[in-house]
Amino acid sequence: QQPVQSPQAVILREGEDAVINCSSSKALYSVHWYRQKHGEAPVFLMILLKGGEQKGHEKISASFNEKKQQSSLYLTASQLSYSGTYFCGTANAGGTSYGKLTFGQGTILTVHP
Amino acid sequence: EAGVAQSPRYKIIEKRQSVAFWCNPISGHATLYWYQQILGQGPKLLIQFQNNGVVDDSQLPKDRFSAERLKGVDSTLKIQPAKLEDSAVYLCASSLGQDPISGANVLTFGAGSRLTVL
Repeated sequence: QQPVQSPQAVILREGEDAVINCSSSKALYSVHWYRQKHGEAPVFLMILLKGGEQKGHEKISASFNEKKQQSSLYLTASQLSYSGTYFCGTANAGGTSYGKLTFGQGTILTVHP
Repeated sequence: EAGVAQSPRYKIIEKRQSVAFWCNPISGHATLYWYQQILGQGPKLLIQFQNNGVVDDSQLPKDRFSAERLKGVDSTLKIQPAKLEDSAVYLCASSLGQDPISGANVLTFGAGSRLTVL
């Protein structure tokens, strides 16, 4: 089951903040966040494990609400380099789906000067 | 460390022709994935290998797609015969393992092979 991301697109000015959400209808064990720039491969940002922990990478952080089966990616004081498409990938455990990452449809983030 | 290598980067074929994509994962990565990314969509898993065994191929259209990973290293994805809807970027990714709890399944993607079917 593909996770659902919202919003589909965000347009920001440099220095503004944004939140991207990822929701799943299935119980999650981990959520991955990747960023893909146009014409390039997706690049790993961070992984969140069940337990509701929050992680950070420079001015990008994320949270994972295991009960709600949701994750949110927070981008603060956005920079031009943050532009790209952000994907969440969700993983379950057990059975044949073990370790399999299913990606959402992506959120296009555009940062203007 | 060297990244995930893929070739060719671009391929244009007519429908009903065949095509093959090659992937060389990061050295030591046991798990290899092939994803299909249609323009404007997220990557969709086609097949997942653990060493040279198939872990998941539930979304692979087996009537036309095939993949193998001989000796647990390089992998080849083949499409025969191709259809117009196969136009996409085929991404190969590798990871140390497939344990989502430890994070061992953090994926490193290759640059992708862009297929256009006319």
